[in-house]
Amino acid sequence: DAKTTQPTSMDCAEGRAANLPCNHSTISGNEYVYWYRQIHSQGPQYIIHGLKNNETNEMASLIITEDRKSSTLILPHATLRDTAVYYCTPLSYGQNFVFGPGTRLSVLP
Amino acid sequence: DVKVTQSSRYLVKRTGEKVFLECVQDMDHENMFWYRQDPGLGLRLIYFSYDVKMKEKGDIPEGYSVSREKKERFSLILESASTNQTSMYLCASSFLGQNQPQHFGDGTRLSIL
Repeated sequence: DAKTTQPTSMDCAEGRAANLPCNHSTISGNEYVYWYRQIHSQGPQYIIHGLKNNETNEMASLIITEDRKSSTLILPHATLRDTAVYYCTPLSYGQNFVFGPGTRLSVLP
Repeated sequence: DVKVTQSSRYLVKRTGEKVFLECVQDMDHENMFWYRQDPGLGLRLIYFSYDVKMKEKGDIPEGYSVSREKKERFSLILESASTNQTSMYLCASSFLGQNQPQHFGDGTRLSIL
């Protein structure tokens, strides 16, 4: 069974908010939700992570539902440089990363 | 900013050669990791290290070895390169402990001919 389910692709207009959903219905109590992105030909870039509270940093905001079965990554003002594949993955200490196919976000001018 | 530097972006080697991939991080991280990334297979952990001279096997260690003589440097060695080791290799590092994100380098695209 896949650990996460994400849309295959999404489009977003430049300057608008990009909201990327992720379902992780089998997440366990000690697993954090991590978000990474990968721009073509580069390594994955860490964005944000959280356990159950919403989180915000200089890159994005993370909204986690109360039952923790899903989350949404929000890029508040998307730019062309945000075009990338976005991965969400539940992870606890000692676990290995398992990136699924992710969501290919295209930011359009 | 965290900086994880991999020695080569692109590398071409021949079958049977011994191949060294180098990774250096500048954030005094205890943990370092080597992954390979292949289309349709995602990210797979080869080896990781939580301290100098310490190493642990990941999910796919066969055909690889690692070396960590200094805290900031983690080397991946392909003992006798084979064509099925053609892949994107990614190094990552993190602080020890829970809730510590891994930070990745830009990868080495290795082709074995």
